Formats: sequence, structure tokens, C-alpha cells
Amino acid sequence: NAGVTQTPKFRVLKTGQSMTLLCAQDMNHEYMYWYRQDPGMGLRLIHYSVGEGTTAKGEVPDGYNVSRLKKQNFLLGLESAAPSQTSVYFCASSYEADSLEQYFGPGTRLTVT
Amino acid sequence: GENVEQHPSTLSVQEGDSAVIKCTYSDSASNYFPWYKQELGKRPQLIIDIRSNVGEKKDQRIAVTLNKTAKHFSLHITETQPEDSAVYFCAAIDTGTASKLTFGTGTRLQVTL
Repeated sequence: NAGVTQTPKFRVLKTGQSMTLLCAQDMNHEYMYWYRQDPGMGLRLIHYSVGEGTTAKGEVPDGYNVSRLKKQNFLLGLESAAPSQTSVYFCASSYEADSLEQYFGPGTRLTVT
Repeated sequence: GENVEQHPSTLSVQEGDSAVIKCTYSDSASNYFPWYKQELGKRPQLIIDIRSNVGEKKDQRIAVTLNKTAKHFSLHITETQPEDSAVYFCAAIDTGTASKLTFGTGTRLQVTL
């Protein structure tokens, strides 16, 4: 099993450009999450999904959109990138049954100039 | 919603000494408290967790204690080693009503030789 994978690993965008980050998991997990990590601010939840076809806002959703068309994939979109969105983005998934453990992807380092 | 505070933000200990990281939470309904370790440039990984029906849990050199009355929980690492150097995050969730963890802001632990 690959676990949780993220594409791309690195990206540099110019202000106003758009992009989509892809998260994929092969563990048949119901729950998926997108976090951003900034120095001194820990992990902040952007959006999450409790199942295929569902999405919900987290702590810092502004400027981002998400979709969960397939159970194994969770996409994070930036429609018009801003320098404030420079961050490391982590995707995570969990089963929410016996185990509440969240499995994280390797992260995507995004720089917006 | 839940609010988790974590202290200290940085901690430096000598190899072989013990390290303690403390977290407080605000929602008395929270009943699951995991701890994640993130090594430099890597993804966060679960190292230990505790549920509210237990006061203490141990796994080799690491232990977690929970005080539900005071709404705080702590991570204890004994006989620290250089490979314990990392950022540690606590988190909390009310599994009955919420689908997402609330993370603390992290503690950077440095184990010096």
C-alpha cells in the first residue's frame, strides 16, 4: 500500500494563478482532510470530507475549494493564489471506526510570489 | 468549538533527561487525545493516544497522562535520545459530535548530546 500520496511535492505560483493539489489514499478511508502548516501556527484545517461526495469547511477555508468525487481522492483548489497562501499543505485520511489515527501525506510545499 | 493550547513552544533537554509537554483543552466533551511527532521535513505521525476513560497510557519511553477535571493532558518522554528531536503536536476531539481534530501549535523538542 502506498498510504497517502500528494501531488505535486513542490510548486511555485505567481499571484493570481490557479492550481489543484491532489491527495490520494489507498486505505479505503472515509474521512479526508486538508491542512496547512505555517511556522509557529501548527496544523490548521482548511477543509475536510466525511465521505465521498461530501465536503465541509475547517478553520481557514477562505481562498480554497475542495472536491471529493471519488472516495480515494480529495482535491484542494486555489482559484487565485495569493502570497498569504505560501505554506506547506498536508493531506490526511482516517477510518473513523476502531482507530481515529490520521495518516498524513508527505506534504506539498507551495510558494506564491 | 474546541481550543487546544500547548506549552512550551520550544524545549531543549540533554540526552538521557526527561521531557514533558503540556496541553489544555476547552471542550469538556472531548474524549480522544492523540500526540503526533513530526521530524524535520517529514509528515506528522501518531506516536501515542489516550481516551477519556483512561488516566495514563505508556508505550516504552513515552507516556501520556490525562486530567479530565482540569482539562489537561501531557506527554512524557523519558531517557531522551537524539532521535526524539522533532516537533510534537497534541490534539483533541469529541468523537461523539465532531469529525475533526483540533491541534495545538506544536512543541519543538531539541535533545542535545
